[in-house]
Parts: sequence; structure tokens; C-alpha cells
Amino acid sequence: GDSVTQMEGPVTLSEEAFLTINCTYTATGYPSLFWYVQYPGEGLQLLLKATKADDKGSNKGFEATYRKETTSFHLEKGSVQVSDSAVYFCALSDPGGGGGATNKLIFGTGTLLAVQP
Amino acid sequence: ETGVTQSPTHLIKTRGQQVTLRCSSQSGHNTVSWYQQALGQGPQFIFQYYREEENGRGNFPPRFSGLQFPNYSSELNVNALELDDSALYLCASSRTGVDEKLFFGSGTQLSVL
Repeated sequence: GDSVTQMEGPVTLSEEAFLTINCTYTATGYPSLFWYVQYPGEGLQLLLKATKADDKGSNKGFEATYRKETTSFHLEKGSVQVSDSAVYFCALSDPGGGGGATNKLIFGTGTLLAVQP
Repeated sequence: ETGVTQSPTHLIKTRGQQVTLRCSSQSGHNTVSWYQQALGQGPQFIFQYYREEENGRGNFPPRFSGLQFPNYSSELNVNALELDDSALYLCASSRTGVDEKLFFGSGTQLSVL
């Protein structure tokens, strides 16, 4: 079945460092790919998305490119801030994956990012 | 535009009891999905409701059931609670037929003792 694998954390960086969080996926169809962020005590918020191969999603300085050839959707940011400290989830939505539900998301296990001043 | 609200925020139950969690959808949204997030894990899809009917279900036993009401609010019911049911339960609303974007609530933290 469909699945998402992302790098384990925690990832600890100093402020202004470069961030990469790796994400790879397995899907039967042509999924849309997402990054969600979860701040402490809050629900998930959509950070960015890409719906087809070679699309680049971007938001708040974060970017990720949908790479079909490597089945990857790595999250990057050029200069992290303390306020970026959160758990980041990679996810896919596969309309061809069956089950009947629309917008059903399959999540990775999450990566905790801790940014130190 | 109001967001997705869930109640209660925290709940403690004992094994074998039953629990009902509630969710109010974002205004204008017609679809509600429920997810279970165990500690240190990503959310897992439980089921989805559209037009008051179940519209897809994940790998959860029948003791997990739900309802969607005409105002698009929703309930998640869990019978015969087990220790492994301890988790954060997230509700997400969306607009089927419009876009894929899910709006998540802050969740209900359920502890089963």
C-alpha cells in the first residue's frame, strides 16, 4: 500500500542554518504531496503542497520539489529561525489509492526540528 | 471564518469504557475526516464523512464509529476502550469538490488507564 518515509529526528540546528528534511514515498497512482507543520499544543497546518511531478511548493521560505524519478519530496529552508521549531510531517494523498475517501492523507512519522538561538 | 474546533481538549477514561469526541467543521465545509495520532507517530486515517455518510475508512475496528450531522459537525465514538487507544484524535474539515485542503483542529488528547 501507499506509504511515506521521512528522516528521523530530532534535527537540531542553529539559527540561520540550512535545513533539509528528507521524505520519500510509495504510491500506486499519481499522488499529491504535502508538508504539514505541528507546533506544540496545536493541530496540523498545511505548509506547502505539490500536485504533479516537477512542481515546487513553497511557503514562508520553505520549499519542496516533487521528484517522481526518485519518489521524493524533500523539505528545505535556507535560513531557519527559532520560530520554525516544530514537528514536520510529510504526507501524500492518492486518489487512485482506493478506500473511497477524498483527500485521505497518509503521513510519515514526523521530524522534530529544534532551532537554537 | 471560524476554524475547526474540537471538544473536549483532554479526556481520561478507563479500559472498557466508551467515549464520544466532538468536532465542529470550518464554516462552509461539507466533509469531516478523523485521524488518530499516537505519541511520536504521524496521524493515521480513521474514517471520513460526507453528506452524513461514511465515505472511506482506514484500518480501524468497528468499535470506532462516527456520525456527521446536517450542520456538518461530527462525532467520533469509541467503544470498549483499550490502552492502545490512548492518542491525540484530530478532526479535519474540507470542501469536497472544491479543493484538497484539509483544515485541522487542535485535537482531543485521550488517555486510557
